[in-house]
Amino acid sequence: QKEVEQNSGPLSVPEGAIASLNCTYSDRGSQSFFWYRQYSGKSPELIMFIYSNGDKEDGRFTAQLNKASQYVSLLIRDSQPSDSATYLCAVKDNYGQNFVFGPGTRLSVLP
Amino acid sequence: ETGVTQTPRHLVMGMTNKKSLKCEQHLGHNAMYWYKQSAKKPLELMFVYSLEERVENNSVPSRFSPECPNSSHLFLHLHTLQPEDSALYLCASSPDSAGNTIYFGEGSWLTVV
Repeated sequence: QKEVEQNSGPLSVPEGAIASLNCTYSDRGSQSFFWYRQYSGKSPELIMFIYSNGDKEDGRFTAQLNKASQYVSLLIRDSQPSDSATYLCAVKDNYGQNFVFGPGTRLSVLP
Repeated sequence: ETGVTQTPRHLVMGMTNKKSLKCEQHLGHNAMYWYKQSAKKPLELMFVYSLEERVENNSVPSRFSPECPNSSHLFLHLHTLQPEDSALYLCASSPDSAGNTIYFGEGSWLTVV
């Protein structure tokens, strides 16, 4: 059974701080990794994806992937109250159509 | 506006009713998905269609019946549901069967009474 694990939170950080969200996965065959943001009562929206080991930066967001450790993280710099949401980690292999989602981490950015 | 439209947004139905959820994508994608999101549980994949052909069914009870008449439309037919089926049902699409990224609709909130 392929599993994706995340700390459910809530993770509380002050405005302007760096928020660090972590995700581990069980399937070593996973090739693609995604971070989605979901505001309360809304559908998930894609923030970014990463395929290769290392860091990938997009604005205030940085995704980090370590396939050897089966670990992917999302850093949010200069956190804003509008970043308060649940962040979902998803992984996918190259063979199926199935994205396996983690339970999500609830982030609260305090003004 | 994600390019994936779901109707109705909210649905309340009795356990003996028959209803359908509709999804339409305007992105030219070839793969479409139904996901279920319950409180405090991860998103659960229900069905995957690629080029109108069902390619994955994650052991979903037969009271949920999908239909994909073309690559732009996806339905989820509901009958004799249980209260535990109350959840947010999310439709999604992706460009092709490799499914590099998926785009979600706004979801249909279903309450079974």
